[in-house]
Amino acid sequence: AQRVTQPEKLLSVFKGAPVELKCNYSYSGSPELFWYVQYSRQRLQLLLRHISRESIKGFTADLNKGETSFHLKKPFAQEEDSAMYYCALLPSGGYNKLIFGAGTRLAVHP
Amino acid sequence: DTGVSQNPRHKITKRGQNVTFRCDPISEHNRLYWYRQTLGQGPEFLTYFQNEAQLEKSRLLSDRFSAERPKGSFSTLEIQRTEQGDSAMYLCASSLAGQLNEKLFFGSGTQLSVL
Repeated sequence: AQRVTQPEKLLSVFKGAPVELKCNYSYSGSPELFWYVQYSRQRLQLLLRHISRESIKGFTADLNKGETSFHLKKPFAQEEDSAMYYCALLPSGGYNKLIFGAGTRLAVHP
Repeated sequence: DTGVSQNPRHKITKRGQNVTFRCDPISEHNRLYWYRQTLGQGPEFLTYFQNEAQLEKSRLLSDRFSAERPKGSFSTLEIQRTEQGDSAMYLCASSLAGQLNEKLFFGSGTQLSVL
């Protein structure tokens, strides 16, 4: 079965602390993995995708096929990082039929 | 705002009534998606259009649900004989096929409450 699991509903940290939002997936093929973010009162938007291997707003994520994980990391959290974060998997198929995890709320306290 | 537009933002209806939502994608985007999000969950795929053709429907989309995109531009999602279990945020998204690293743009959603 194709599934994305985000084990933490809430992650609460202080400003300047490291952040790791966990994501594990279940998929038999070679997936594309994404992180989407939703800031308060804003739309869901793409944060980063594993094939781009980029750092966005200081966040990085590495696809670990052995552990079937795609954890999102940032070395020093900022208050403006507070948001809902969704990990998503794109099965092969050529279009954006994404499978989302349940999301993790990141709260960064001053 | 040139992003994906959804109307209405909120809809409250009584069980058994029909409702219709509209989505206006980004103008040059030829792919349009509907997702549904219930409380505490991530969005779930409902259906997908490429231009005016509906190419896939999720098993989540019962016979009471119908989506159209008649001219390959805006789309409507109709729910007939609404049930309390239909209460959710209905999200529309669009993308441009063929782009390198095709990116999905979401609307703000329509929040449906069935009483």
